[in-house]
Amino acid sequence: GDSVTQMEGPVTLSEEAFLTINCTYTATGYPSLFWYVQYPGEGLQLLLKATKADDKGSNKGFEATYRKETTSFHLEKGSVQVSDSAVYFCALSDWGGSEKLVFGKGMKLTVNP
Amino acid sequence: GAVVSQHPSWVICKSGTSVKIECRSLDFQATTMFWYRQFPKQSLMLMATSNEGSKATYEQGVEKDKFLINHASLTLSTLTVTSAHPEDSSFYICSARKDPGSGEKLFFGSGTQLSVL
Repeated sequence: GDSVTQMEGPVTLSEEAFLTINCTYTATGYPSLFWYVQYPGEGLQLLLKATKADDKGSNKGFEATYRKETTSFHLEKGSVQVSDSAVYFCALSDWGGSEKLVFGKGMKLTVNP
Repeated sequence: GAVVSQHPSWVICKSGTSVKIECRSLDFQATTMFWYRQFPKQSLMLMATSNEGSKATYEQGVEKDKFLINHASLTLSTLTVTSAHPEDSSFYICSARKDPGSGEKLFFGSGTQLSVL
C-alpha cells in the first residue's frame, strides 16, 4: 500500500539555520503530496502541497518540489525562525484531493534563538 | 479561517471504562469528518471516515464495536473508545472537510492524548 517515510527527529536548530526535512513516498498511482505543520497546542495546518511532478509548493518561506523520479518531496527553508518550532508531517493522497491522507511519522523541530 | 475544536485535549482513564472524544467544526459545516490515531513514533493512521447521518466507514483492522463513531450533526462527530485498555492509549486526531467552497477543504483538531491505566 501507499506509504510515506520522513526524516525522524527531534531536530534542534539555531535561528537563521538552513532546514531540510526529507520525505519519500511509495504510491501505486500519481499522488498529491503535502506538508502539514502542527504548532504547539494547535491542529495540523496545511503548509504547502503539490499535485503533479515538478510542481513546487511554497508558503511562509518553505518550499518543496514534487520529484517523481526520486519519489521525494523534501521540505526546505533557507533561514528558520523561532516561530517555526513545530511538528512537521509529510503526507500523500491518492485521491487527488487532501482527504484520505497517508502520513509520515512527523518530525519535531525546535528552533533556538 | 476554519476552526476545528477537539475535546478533551488529554484524558486519563481506568481500564474498562469508556471515553468520548468530541470533534466540532466551529464556523463551517462538515458532512465528512475523519478520525486518525498515532502511536508513539508511528505515523498518523486513518481509523475511520465519519459521515453525517450515516454509518462510519472503518479502515481495515479497526474494530467498529470498539471505536464507536457518531456524526449526528453537520458540526459534530464523536469517537467513543469503549472498554478502553492500555493498548488503546494513543493520540487521536480528527479532521473535518469543509463544504462547499473552494480552497483548502480539510481542517484538523488539535488532538486528544488518551492514557489508559
